[in-house]
Amino acid sequence: GAVVSQHPSRVICKSGTSVKIECRSLDFQATTMFWYRQFPKQSLMLMATSNEGSKATYEQGVEKDKFLINHASLTLSTLTVTSAHPEDSSFYICSARGWTTGGGQFFGPGTRLTVL
Amino acid sequence: RKEVEQDPGPFNVPEGATVAFNCTYSNSASQSFFWYRQDCRKEPKLLMSVYSSGNEDGRFTAQLNRASQYISLLIRDSKLSDSATYLCVVPFGGGYNKLIFGAGTRLAVHP
Repeated sequence: GAVVSQHPSRVICKSGTSVKIECRSLDFQATTMFWYRQFPKQSLMLMATSNEGSKATYEQGVEKDKFLINHASLTLSTLTVTSAHPEDSSFYICSARGWTTGGGQFFGPGTRLTVL
Repeated sequence: RKEVEQDPGPFNVPEGATVAFNCTYSNSASQSFFWYRQDCRKEPKLLMSVYSSGNEDGRFTAQLNRASQYISLLIRDSKLSDSATYLCVVPFGGGYNKLIFGAGTRLAVHP
């Protein structure tokens, strides 16, 4: 149990376009979802925490108007990178936890974004 | 001092070797800790949780030293499939909402 999926797994886009990434909990209800970003050879950095039905809480230095997060249901959260630029190229990973995960966070397979 | 620090490695060891990684953390109030494994270009996967002095699972042993604020991961009888980056993770704050990830220690096991 506790499977998290992400879509798409890889996306290449032109500078200035917006990209939406979906994160789904497949076999549990995710009360909280987290969005991380990982640059090459660096550790995962938490971008934001979202609770179902509430506004996301962003970490310091993460622009909420650029990284739009929606967590409208207990199984789906979306991250939209608006007006993407080459410096936004990174590995974006979501994680989720719920009442049945014992406090643990389970990670999706990640989305590799390349902005040209 | 960084919140979570790890030796980046790489550790290059032959099959069958025993290897140990250390991780130091700055928040003395942290109560639990995790080791995750991350393969290249993949998501992290939970390897072990450490809640008290240590934990053992087969060839893997995690130990916690609260006085010195470090956690170690010992891998015995290394396999080729153990090659990966090992991430030390410390929850921050109540409710385990925020996980602080170390940069990881890279292990390469060779024949």
